[in-house]
Amino acid sequence: DTGVSQDPRHKITKRGQNVTFRCDPISEHNRLYWYRQTLGQGPEFLTYFQNEAQLEKSRLLSDRFSAERPKGSFSTLEIQRTEQGDSAMYLCASVSGGREKLFFGSGTQLSVL
Amino acid sequence: DQQVKQNSPSLSVQEGRISILNCDYTNSMFDYFLWYKKYPAEGPTFLISISSIKDKNEDGRFTVFLNKSAKHLSLHIVPSQPGDSAVYFCAASWGNEKLTFGTGTRLTIIP
Repeated sequence: DTGVSQDPRHKITKRGQNVTFRCDPISEHNRLYWYRQTLGQGPEFLTYFQNEAQLEKSRLLSDRFSAERPKGSFSTLEIQRTEQGDSAMYLCASVSGGREKLFFGSGTQLSVL
Repeated sequence: DQQVKQNSPSLSVQEGRISILNCDYTNSMFDYFLWYKKYPAEGPTFLISISSIKDKNEDGRFTVFLNKSAKHLSLHIVPSQPGDSAVYFCAASWGNEKLTFGTGTRLTIIP
């Protein structure tokens, strides 16, 4: 399978705990995006990488959020001290260039209790 | 500030008929538009796109129309099939900027 892979598919955690999600993009894609989607809303941009460089972060990304893409391959998104408002689906997408369609993974559904 | 708007949260259409989904945008810099389809518990999948230099793009049963002066685009699905039941998102970008998505329209095809 050469699609975008995200792990885990579901995560249930207690408020205050830290969580980390992983995204493996399509191998030849150099741009990787993180989006967040809540019920009744469209995907909202969080951050993106061009190879290993993090080029833009949304104001939605508070200092509790950090993302990395070591060596320009897979990426991780960590949320520290989770809050109930962090409950959402976290989507990863990749693309080979800037103007082509994004390929999305199946997402990680986070529930903070 | 919602730069991409889908004002119809839901739409029901008889199987075999035409489905028309609408999208409005406010940012005149947008020059590339896409439609994505999303099933529950899955990520969005790309359907069709259009550049601002065109006003129409077709791919099989799917056609996207762009009216730049009205800042409006629409997706037509003909004929509608039960498998088309999903949430449809309109998205837009400019330059090499990120995609900005609308809030989605839930399409239900009635057999």
